[in-house]
Amino acid sequence: QSVLTQPPSVSAAPGQRVTISCSGSSSNIGNNYVCWYQQLPGTAPKLLIYENTKRPSGIPDRFSGSKSGTSATLGITGLQTGDEAEYYCGTWDSSLSAGVFGGGTKLTVL
Amino acid sequence: EEQLVESGGGLVQPGGSLRLSCSASGFTFSTYAMHWVRQAPGKGLEYVSTTSANGGATYYAESVKGTFTISRDNSKKTLYLQMSSLRAEDTAVYYCVKAHHSNWYYFDYWGQGTLVTVSS
Repeated sequence: QSVLTQPPSVSAAPGQRVTISCSGSSSNIGNNYVCWYQQLPGTAPKLLIYENTKRPSGIPDRFSGSKSGTSATLGITGLQTGDEAEYYCGTWDSSLSAGVFGGGTKLTVL
Repeated sequence: EEQLVESGGGLVQPGGSLRLSCSASGFTFSTYAMHWVRQAPGKGLEYVSTTSANGGATYYAESVKGTFTISRDNSKKTLYLQMSSLRAEDTAVYYCVKAHHSNWYYFDYWGQGTLVTVSS
């Protein structure tokens, strides 16, 4: 059981937009920044979004992040087949004094 | 170019011990917090442990507290994870992760991982 809650899967057609939600509590998302990670099949995860909304260099602006209260959302526009991956939200939990992740969301581009 | 290379994984019997190493290059290792994150086969990411840049502060997931110890040798640019009293549930790929420059709890750059299998 993950501390952060994500939908197990989402799907959309190429070119469309999809959002992935991440729900937590005041001890994690509510009081700390959220990151998003992309894990392509068979590879190590990669930082996609940090500090709720910022993109590391090299990440296209098709990827965006937002946060409101104890929830965060990853948005992906102009979907490509290469975006098929597992997406994880993550943050710090101040009560646990530990990092926490969502259970992951598998994105399928139909 | 940043690089993290994990080593030390393998097959170990339940109750056994193992030490993982992570050799860093391409960045100033001594100025970054470092983490271990694991992923059981077919499962999601699980936070394991964090050490501050100078090793003075460490954090652990509840599931490994008391049995795993994170440490670092900044002179050797190497991160370690000493694992003891291993159980089948500790079977996973263990990733060494560099913190982001903006905030120590952003998992910025990930190594390729090393597989630990706990089985008799």
